[in-house]
Amino acid sequence: GESVGLHLPTLSVQEGDNSIINCAYSNSASDYFIWYKQESGKGPQFIIDIRSNMDKRQGQRVTVLLNKTVKHLSLQIAATQPGDSAVYFCAENIGGNQFYFGTGTSLTVIP
Amino acid sequence: DAGVTQSPTHLIKTRGQQVTLRCSPKSGHDTVSWYQQALGQGPQFIFQYYEEEERQRGNFPDRFSGHQFPNYSSELNVNALLLGDSALYLCASSLASGNEQFFGPGTRLTVL
Repeated sequence: GESVGLHLPTLSVQEGDNSIINCAYSNSASDYFIWYKQESGKGPQFIIDIRSNMDKRQGQRVTVLLNKTVKHLSLQIAATQPGDSAVYFCAENIGGNQFYFGTGTSLTVIP
Repeated sequence: DAGVTQSPTHLIKTRGQQVTLRCSPKSGHDTVSWYQQALGQGPQFIFQYYEEEERQRGNFPDRFSGHQFPNYSSELNVNALLLGDSALYLCASSLASGNEQFFGPGTRLTVL
């Protein structure tokens, strides 16, 4: 079946540094991806999305890169802040707004 | 503009009981999806409702059922609760014509 996985379960970065969180997906038919941030005790928060006809999309301090050749996504966070500490999930949509989530990467920002 | 809301926030039940969780979608959204998130795991898709009908379903038993009302709000029902049903239950809303999906804060269900 389809699966979404993350290469690194945990990531620690110094405040002010850039963070890169990676995600591998297995379904080549997936045409839409979302990165979510989930803080403890809260629901996932939409960060940024990208469609399969794009390679890169930028938001405020965040950039998502999509490499369809190797079925890989990454989320880059610039100038990481303590408030960025959370678990990050990538989710893939293979159709009908049904999303598959990976297990997540826990990001810790060291002040 | 209200986001996705869910009730109750927390719930404690015993094995064999039944539970109903509620969700109101983001204003303007017509599609509601339910997810189960076990501790330390990513959300797992349960099912999706659109136009008051179940449109898609994940790999969950028939003990999990739902409903969508004309105002687009939704309920998730779980019968014959098992210990393994303890989890955070998340509701997400979207537009049938779009992809962006926004989550509510979730309901924490504990089965004893």
